[in-house]
Amino acid sequence: KAGVTQTPRYLIKTRGQQVTLSCSPISGHRSVSWYQQTPGQGLQFLFEYFSETQRNKGNFPGRFSGRQFSNSRSEMNVSTLELGDSALYLCASSNQGGLSGANVLTFGAGSRLTVL
Amino acid sequence: QKEVEQNSGPLSVPEGAIASLNCTYSDRGSQSFFWYRQYSGKSPELIMSIYSNGDKEDGRFTAQLNKASQYVSLLIRDSQPSDSATYLCAVNEGGSYIPTFGRGTSLIVHP
Repeated sequence: KAGVTQTPRYLIKTRGQQVTLSCSPISGHRSVSWYQQTPGQGLQFLFEYFSETQRNKGNFPGRFSGRQFSNSRSEMNVSTLELGDSALYLCASSNQGGLSGANVLTFGAGSRLTVL
Repeated sequence: QKEVEQNSGPLSVPEGAIASLNCTYSDRGSQSFFWYRQYSGKSPELIMSIYSNGDKEDGRFTAQLNKASQYVSLLIRDSQPSDSATYLCAVNEGGSYIPTFGRGTSLIVHP
């Protein structure tokens, strides 16, 4: 079955611009999480959506936002980009199943954002 | 503040040796534990999950969990150069859907 699809894979923006990233989860997965990965900070949790509702949120400023659609596809938006927002943004989906599959994340290939 | 600690490495082992990767966590309520492998330039992929104390084996990989000491480890037997990657430890508190990730340990297997 198809994996987690993220678009775009690479993008370059300048400071002050905004960006929207898209994520299509594995079919049947209703939970979508977003992570920021940088060499210095590792994997940092941004937010998680389940059935179109933001269920969990990490410690990122309000410039970072997201949403989930009825088909479970999710988008995240970063406004007023800063140099420090340059990172790999990873989306992961989960089926939130029974104990044997609980909380297992399947990651997409990521969207690499460079802010100049 | 939940914390998951890993030695950043790099851990260098010769081909055929056993690689031992360790992870400690701070939240005693943690219930689910995972090891993800991330090749350079790629995204993390799950290689092992463990939920109860003891060992869990899957091929060349063995995950070990000790909740009393709050550590989880990953052993890779007969290490191969293709195992060279960063290994991320992830821990879920019971009832939480959001895992906390360690910063990862870089493993280098040299021929």
